[in-house]
Amino acid sequence: QSALTQPASVSGSPGQSITISCTGTTSDVGTYNLVSWYQQHPGRAPKVITYDVSERPSGLSNRFSGSKSGNTASLTISGLRAEDEADYYCCSYAGNGAYVFGTGTKVTVL
Amino acid sequence: EVQLVESGGGLVQPGRSLRLSCAASGFSFDNYAMHWVRQVPGKGLEWVSSISWKSGSIGYADSVKGRFTISRDNAKKSLFLQMNSLRREDTALYSCVKASCGGGGCALLDSWGRGTLVAVSS
Repeated sequence: QSALTQPASVSGSPGQSITISCTGTTSDVGTYNLVSWYQQHPGRAPKVITYDVSERPSGLSNRFSGSKSGNTASLTISGLRAEDEADYYCCSYAGNGAYVFGTGTKVTVL
Repeated sequence: EVQLVESGGGLVQPGRSLRLSCAASGFSFDNYAMHWVRQVPGKGLEWVSSISWKSGSIGYADSVKGRFTISRDNAKKSLFLQMNSLRREDTALYSCVKASCGGGGCALLDSWGRGTLVAVSS
């Protein structure tokens, strides 16, 4: 299991849209539609923002959307806000009860 | 309200053992899969291990396979992580995490504990 690959940082201005990629392999992202994304603010526990590739937990803003193509999953944040500044991690099921997280992406709102 | 409270962390020498516990409350513990996730302060998340609701499906990260053992006691609403042959690179904050379903393929981790710190050093 190798960590899924994410860009170290992504930035955008308020109101803009940004997309974070998460690249895995045919052993994880490419085979299973079990990709989730987590937002983590400093000193806080991670919070799930999308799961099963594109599902959103009830009550979560529709500004967050997930997708997948081949071995790469993506998270798009539209209408960027100051409170979206945080670290974001993808996670994929990798079979046989195993999971793998991404390397993490720091989102900066300019 | 879901509560997950970890305990058992501390300072331990390389090669020694430690057993982490997680006390769960506020939900039907025996209906959900549980995970251990670790994070070095200031670094990224690393999935460690998972166990399905009836312990039928268990998984480990390659980095801990053969050294760590996950288990659960549904009657006591508790999750455990037995960590043997500890290495310096196991130093991290270990968090107990609840999944949103009971089986082995459930990637929605919906509740996280605050974690217990494990420091491996001589």
